[in-house]
Amino acid sequence: DAGVTQSPTHLIKTRGQHVTLRCSPISGHKSVSWYQQVLGQGPQFIFQYYEKEERGRGNFPDRFSARQFPNYSSELNVNALLLGDSALYLCASSLSAGTGLVALFFGSGTQLSVL
Amino acid sequence: KQEVTQIPAALSVPEGENLVLNCSFTDSAIYNLQWFRQDPGKGLTSLLLIQSSQREQTSGRLNASLDKSSGRSTLYIAASQPGDSATYLCAVNTGTASKLTFGTGTRLQVTL
Repeated sequence: DAGVTQSPTHLIKTRGQHVTLRCSPISGHKSVSWYQQVLGQGPQFIFQYYEKEERGRGNFPDRFSARQFPNYSSELNVNALLLGDSALYLCASSLSAGTGLVALFFGSGTQLSVL
Repeated sequence: KQEVTQIPAALSVPEGENLVLNCSFTDSAIYNLQWFRQDPGKGLTSLLLIQSSQREQTSGRLNASLDKSSGRSTLYIAASQPGDSATYLCAVNTGTASKLTFGTGTRLQVTL
């Protein structure tokens, strides 16, 4: 079975541009979460979506947005890119969006470099 | 606000040694704690998940313990191998959907 898949694997953008990152969860998983990992730090929570609805949002500016599609795949969009947005963006999926009784499974990430 | 700390930040050991990685968290009201492995530039691989009602979990050479009341967890790696070299991250879930709070990790190097 395929795990969590993310595309693209690497991306280079310039300041002010827009970027869209994509994620497909594990088959049967209905919840998708997005995390940002800056070099040398632990991942930080950005969003969680379940059944196409936003269920949680971290402390990120409105330039960050996301959505989930009927097939449970998800997109993360970042507008007006800043140098500080350079990071590894990780997608995670889980069976449900309930309490913390379920494990998260992560993809390999998209490495975004903003020049 | 939940804060997760991992000590040490980096560790180098010779092959074959047993080692312990530490994780502490400030808010003991957690649902679970997960240990992850991350290779350079790669995603996270889940190693062990401990529910708040559990004291420990084991998988092969790995054993993770949880003391929720004191806000501590340890990851024990037995008979370390060069292939264990990676960054190990712990993360706690306080019940808010899938929002994990991560530590900054321990970078482990196992030398021949």
